[in-house]
Amino acid sequence: GESVGLHLPTLSVQEGDNSIINCAYSNSASDYFIWYKQESGKGPQFIIDIRSNMDKRQGQRVTVLLNKTVKHLSLQIAATQPGDSAVYFCAERFTGANSKLTFGKGITLSVRP
Amino acid sequence: GAVVSQHPSWVICKSGTSVKIECRSLDFQATTMFWYRQFPKQSLMLMATSNEGSKATYEQGVEKDKFLINHASLTLSTLTVTSAHPEDSSFYICSAREAGSSSYNSPLHFGNGTRLTVT
Repeated sequence: GESVGLHLPTLSVQEGDNSIINCAYSNSASDYFIWYKQESGKGPQFIIDIRSNMDKRQGQRVTVLLNKTVKHLSLQIAATQPGDSAVYFCAERFTGANSKLTFGKGITLSVRP
Repeated sequence: GAVVSQHPSWVICKSGTSVKIECRSLDFQATTMFWYRQFPKQSLMLMATSNEGSKATYEQGVEKDKFLINHASLTLSTLTVTSAHPEDSSFYICSAREAGSSSYNSPLHFGNGTRLTVT
């Protein structure tokens, strides 16, 4: 079946460096993508989203890139800070009445001081 | 921003008892709420979609008689785990979509989850 997955389970970066978290999706019908951050013991926190008619969207210190040709989504975090340490999930939504959100496996970002 | 509140944040219950988890949208109305389950170091798995005033839609493999969902108002959905067993121990998270929002450009707002431990 089709699924959303991530390439790497963990990512360790030096404080101040840029982080890039990658995600692969396989459902070409998906038209909306979201990145969430989840800290230990908490629910997912919205970071940034992108629609399928876009290939790049920027927020504060974060950028999401969408490559529909290879079904690839990435999250770039500039000047990574200790507070960015968390598990990051990409999620995709299919067009439809309920538009369920399907989550990828998640990747742990660890920021070294 | 939109806030979703879950209660309780954690609960310990004995095997065979039932536990009710509440999910409230505090500053917006939610026609649709979603219930997820998350095991340690795993992703969120959708259990069911709860629509205000109608029956919930359960995902394949989720027992509707075990996980009772009620969405009686635009700001409250409840999940009741009936006859809980140790294997039901998990992190349960709800999310909500604001009423009137287009599914195209509206992210879900998540609660902070409920840690259920069944002894």
